Amino acid sequence: IAGITQAPTSQILAAGRRMTLRCTQDMRHNAMYWYRQDLGLGLRLIHYSNTAGTTGKGEVPDGYSVSRANTDDFPLTLASAVPSQTSVYFCASSRIPGEFSEQFFGPGTRLTVL
Amino acid sequence: ELKVEQNPLFLSMQEGKNYTIYCNYSTTSDRLYWYRQDPGKSLESLFVLLSNGAVKQEGRLMASLDTKARLSTLHITAAVHDLSATYFCAVDENSGYALNFGKGTSLLVTP
Repeated sequence: IAGITQAPTSQILAAGRRMTLRCTQDMRHNAMYWYRQDLGLGLRLIHYSNTAGTTGKGEVPDGYSVSRANTDDFPLTLASAVPSQTSVYFCASSRIPGEFSEQFFGPGTRLTVL
Repeated sequence: ELKVEQNPLFLSMQEGKNYTIYCNYSTTSDRLYWYRQDPGKSLESLFVLLSNGAVKQEGRLMASLDTKARLSTLHITAAVHDLSATYFCAVDENSGYALNFGKGTSLLVTP
């Protein structure tokens, strides 16, 4: 593994179903982030984690939850998916929050909720 | 609330021409980032600007930062088709935990 991986690459999901998007990084970065990208809206932060064991809410956290049990993994869970959560989801990481936080992005997960 | 505005949002330009993309932001920050995204792909880091007056160049792209004006520019020199992509600027609020992105500038370079 080199960098950030996300799984699945794409998914079609029925409304009301539970879904976990996976994100793993091998750069030993302390901080990790989840964004959603929607046409015309750019990237919006969902949740973040500055270090293992801590998480925080971003701009659009409703309907999503995250956990950070270790440095490498940062899964995003949709407890009960709704069509408005149809989007492309990007996971990102940065070395140390609080310093310059150049973020590196994973390949993305395209999610469609019907 | 930090606002990041890019202009223009869409840009069609001929090969060989020069153009500038502007990124304005609404709060004090001395950290600004430019990313490139190809269709259906992830975001690739282009430039990291960390202080007032910072200028960085890579090939036909040059980025600059004026923190007093809260403005960054991405200048394209002698555009080529390979530069067609969407370009995002992002600002760090100095809180260290997140980037605030502009909506992106979709660039199309035509022959």
